[in-house]
Amino acid sequence: DIQMTQSPSSLSASVGDRVTITCRASQGISNYLAWFQQRPGKAPKSLIYGASSLQSGVPSKFSGSGSGTDFTLTISSLQPEDFTTYYCQQYYSYPITFGQGTRLEIK
Amino acid sequence: QLQLQESGPGLVKPSETLSLTCTVSGGSISSNSHFWGWIRQPPGQGLEWIANIYYGGTTYYNPSLKSRVTISVDTSKNQFSLKLSSVTAADTAVYYCARRIYSGHVDYWGQGTLVTVSS
Repeated sequence: DIQMTQSPSSLSASVGDRVTITCRASQGISNYLAWFQQRPGKAPKSLIYGASSLQSGVPSKFSGSGSGTDFTLTISSLQPEDFTTYYCQQYYSYPITFGQGTRLEIK
Repeated sequence: QLQLQESGPGLVKPSETLSLTCTVSGGSISSNSHFWGWIRQPPGQGLEWIANIYYGGTTYYNPSLKSRVTISVDTSKNQFSLKLSSVTAADTAVYYCARRIYSGHVDYWGQGTLVTVSS
């Protein structure tokens, strides 16, 4: 199985800040990497696929980059609704695996 | 707009079989461009992929659950289903059904349904 490791596990930031979350795969996954946002009590929402492609309807404040084993999700101009949990997921090979999540908190 | 809706018992006894159905509306499950699948999330924990199925019947299972899981599709009802046998408290989770683009990412999720395993 491909292990996905996110860092940090939690992150404190202020409204208006820009933050970056990292996801590392235990082996190369090309660009078969997605990012999801999950608010409490809600289903995950697709943000980024193909490591850097924005899902339709997702604001451009979200951006992704990376290839191979190292990936980043950057969120600019943080708003109160952005302070929630983010997950990466690899779909390069079965079993599909997720990172453990990064909780973004208001400082 | 595609919608996925999970249904099934919210409480299952230990050692019994958990059964859930996902009803797809706003699109056809008989799409040659998509897989359909299940993902779960224990309370306060992360996400775990369970299984995927193609409308033609091709299936993929998480090896950690494979011996207990069956995923199936009913194209006449535009539904797919999950069965998880011999459940324990560790199977307590919110279960999500989801659509995955063929060889691609998950783009649609159901709202999720909490299944509690308890006597």
